[in-house]
Amino acid sequence: EIVLTQSPGTLFLSPGERVTLSCRASQSVSSNYLAWYQQRPGQAPRLLINGASRRATGVPDRFSGSGSGTDFTLTISRLEPEDFAVYYCQQYGNSPPYTFGQGTKLEIK
Amino acid sequence: VQLIQSGAEVKKPGASLKVSCKVSGYSLMEFSIHWVRQAPGKGPEWMGGFAPEDGESVYALKFQDKLAMTEDLSINTAHMELSRLKSDDTAVYYCAAVVGGRYSPGAYEYWGQGTLVTVSS
Repeated sequence: EIVLTQSPGTLFLSPGERVTLSCRASQSVSSNYLAWYQQRPGQAPRLLINGASRRATGVPDRFSGSGSGTDFTLTISRLEPEDFAVYYCQQYGNSPPYTFGQGTKLEIK
Repeated sequence: VQLIQSGAEVKKPGASLKVSCKVSGYSLMEFSIHWVRQAPGKGPEWMGGFAPEDGESVYALKFQDKLAMTEDLSINTAHMELSRLKSDDTAVYYCAAVVGGRYSPGAYEYWGQGTLVTVSS
């Protein structure tokens, strides 16, 4: 089973700031099948990035993903108020289970 | 595309649970439906879905003897049945869809609204 470790656990930031979130895998993620999701309170997760770097339909271009192998990042270039949420990475490329990271929470400073 | 899940449930320990997920707007066959749950204050936990290598159902190890996924193509609906419920099965249960069918690897572009399940005596 691939374990995904996200860091940091919580970040306190201000609107307008740039942020980079990390997701590290315990073994290489095949075909870079790594996704990022955003989850707001009381809502289902929303797909932001798949294939490590492809924005999902309708996702603003301030969100970008990068990385390969075992190290992946999600960058938000300029935080908007609606971006304060929890972000999860997930691998879906290797054999199941298709595990999720434990999440990074963005809070307003 | 909409995934419409059945309503909240309260169950006693030892009981079974069945949650439905109706695909609206497209054929169920165009998607691979997976099930994810989220305990209160925790991150998502993958429960089961379909392996793109062979299109067969696969389950997380901890659910292999208590989870069953079925599909009724006539009503475009997927079902998840969880047996021998315990208090730590209390969670929001989501269906999530990969576009392209069972043989397609992919992230979850579409999610149901979630079904809150409470297990309590």
